[in-house]
Amino acid sequence: SYELTQPPSVSVSPGQTARITCSGDALPKKYRYWYQQKSGQAPVLVIYEDYKRPSGIPERFSGSISGTMATLTISGAQVEDEADYYCYSTDSSASHWVFGGGTKLTVL
Amino acid sequence: QVQLVQSGSELKKPGASVKVSCKASGYTFLAYAMNWVRQAPGQGLEWMGWINTNTGNPTYAQGFTGRFLFSLDTSVTTAYLQISSLKAEDTALYFCAREVFPGYLDYWGQGTLVTVSS
Repeated sequence: SYELTQPPSVSVSPGQTARITCSGDALPKKYRYWYQQKSGQAPVLVIYEDYKRPSGIPERFSGSISGTMATLTISGAQVEDEADYYCYSTDSSASHWVFGGGTKLTVL
Repeated sequence: QVQLVQSGSELKKPGASVKVSCKASGYTFLAYAMNWVRQAPGQGLEWMGWINTNTGNPTYAQGFTGRFLFSLDTSVTTAYLQISSLKAEDTALYFCAREVFPGYLDYWGQGTLVTVSS
């Protein structure tokens, strides 16, 4: 089955840049999505179609792709950005979706 | 405003069944598919599948076939998740999420905690 691999944790100080990676296999490129989940809350979409930002998401959130690796970048991370982040994509059939294992971002 | 309101927490014994509801309001129910996502305690998100609200046709992820059933009652703009023959490992928080287009889940329910314990 299709898998997306993320680092379990990333830690930065406030104001620093946080980068969270998501690697898939070499199958034809599919869009990556990124969801933020704060403790005790439902997930929130922060990046869609690799790099697009939904309305209301701060500009410090950005996404990029290089080969089969997607990266979520938070420029000038803030304490309020502490959360679990999940990448999300589909397999080659485009009919089944999968979340990465999640990355816990600590900002302190 | 768009809202997805899920039913309350459930405590069930192994082997029982549970039906979780997701009441949608504030938008045209038939215009958006509904996805289901599971989160076991302390674990990550798992995509369970989705249901086409126009046709009622469900698609289940690997690992969620057989005991899991997605359904709709469009007259009350509600999606349902039914799990039969419950096992301890089904203990989790279950979310419904509105799909704008594949991958784009813009509104989520608050989650329903299902606990399976004897």
